[in-house]
Order: sequence, then structure tokens, then C-alpha cells
Amino acid sequence: GNSVTQMEGPVTLSEEAFLTINCTYTATGYPSLFWYVQYPGEGLQLLLKATKADDKGSNKGFEATYRKETTSFHLEKGSVQVSDSAVYFCALRGSQGNLIFGKGTKLSVKP
Amino acid sequence: SAVISQKPSRDICQRGTSLTIQCQVDSQVTMMFWYRQQPGQSLTLIATANQGSEATYESGFVIDKFPISRPNLTFSTLTVSNMSPEDSSIYLCSVEETFTSDRSYGYTFGSGTRLTVV
Repeated sequence: GNSVTQMEGPVTLSEEAFLTINCTYTATGYPSLFWYVQYPGEGLQLLLKATKADDKGSNKGFEATYRKETTSFHLEKGSVQVSDSAVYFCALRGSQGNLIFGKGTKLSVKP
Repeated sequence: SAVISQKPSRDICQRGTSLTIQCQVDSQVTMMFWYRQQPGQSLTLIATANQGSEATYESGFVIDKFPISRPNLTFSTLTVSNMSPEDSSIYLCSVEETFTSDRSYGYTFGSGTRLTVV
């Protein structure tokens, strides 16, 4: 069945450091892929998405590329800020229309 | 994008009681999804609610424990029945924005209901 494997944290970085959070998936076909973010005390927000292979999603300096060869959708940001501290979830659209989530990665950015 | 109003935002309940959570969407949607997020964990799908038919439950979740109503295309409720402390979680509803040509354009989530059972 469909599943998402996500790098587990927590991840602690200094401000302006480079961020990579690894995400790989198992799926039939090429489902749409997503990164969601949950800031402390807030709800889930869509960070970026990619709807087909080789698409690159980007938002707020974050990027992720849909790689069908490696079944990956790694999240990257060149220079993190304290305000990026949050939990990040990789997800794919399941065949029944629901989202299937990875376990989440907690990111803490120190000044 | 769709806007979801979810109520209540939080509640503290006695064990053995029930709580009904409501989600109101500002547009008509075919499917609504209900998730549970246990403390420090990821989101797990409870069930999918379609208007005019019974909800479809995931493995480990049963209708007697989590009855769902879907009276129209903009509203749904999830009831957590006969609660125990293990039911303490955040419960969220969600809808898909657009799905065309085998591509999804994202999902909107309610703000969540933080349930504590004592």
C-alpha cells in the first residue's frame, strides 16, 4: 500500500543554516505529494506541493522536487530562520482521496 | 481555497461521556476526512465521510466508537463515544481543494479540536 517515510527528528539548526528533511514514498502510480507545516499551537498549513513527476514545489524559501526515480520528495531551504521552527509533515494523496502522512519532523532553529 | 470552521476548539471531558465535533465548510465538497493526531504523533485517518452514504472507516476505527454524520455537502460531525483517557488527542477535519486529471491541488484542514479525557 501507499506509505511515506520521513526523516525523524528532532532537528536543531542554527539560524542561516541549510536545511534538508528527507522524505521517500511508496505508491502505485504517481500521486500528488505535499509538505505541510504545523507551527507551535497552530493548525496544519500547506507549505508546498508537486502534482507530477519532476515538478518542483516552492514557497517561503522552501523547495522540494518530485523525483520518481528515487521516489523522493526532500524538503530544502538554503537559510533557515527562527520563525521556521515547526513540525514538518511529508504526505501523499492516497488512492481513496485522503492524505497519507509521514511521522513528522520537528525543527528547532536557534538564534 | 475552502475555509473550514471547526468546533469546539478544545474540551475537557469525563470518561464515559461523548463529545460531538462539528465542521462547517464554506463551499460544497464531496468528501470530508476526519483525522486523529495523538500527542507528539502524526495524523491518522479515522474515516471518510460522503454525503448520502455511510462513512468509510479505517482499520482500527469503528462506527460505534466514532459515529459520523454528513447531512449535506458543507457539514459533518464526528462523535467520540464512551471516552477514555486514551482518546485524548487532537481531532481534525479536512477537505480536498481540487482534484483534476489525477492531480491534487491541496487540502484544507480545520483548526482542530484538542480533547482531554479525565
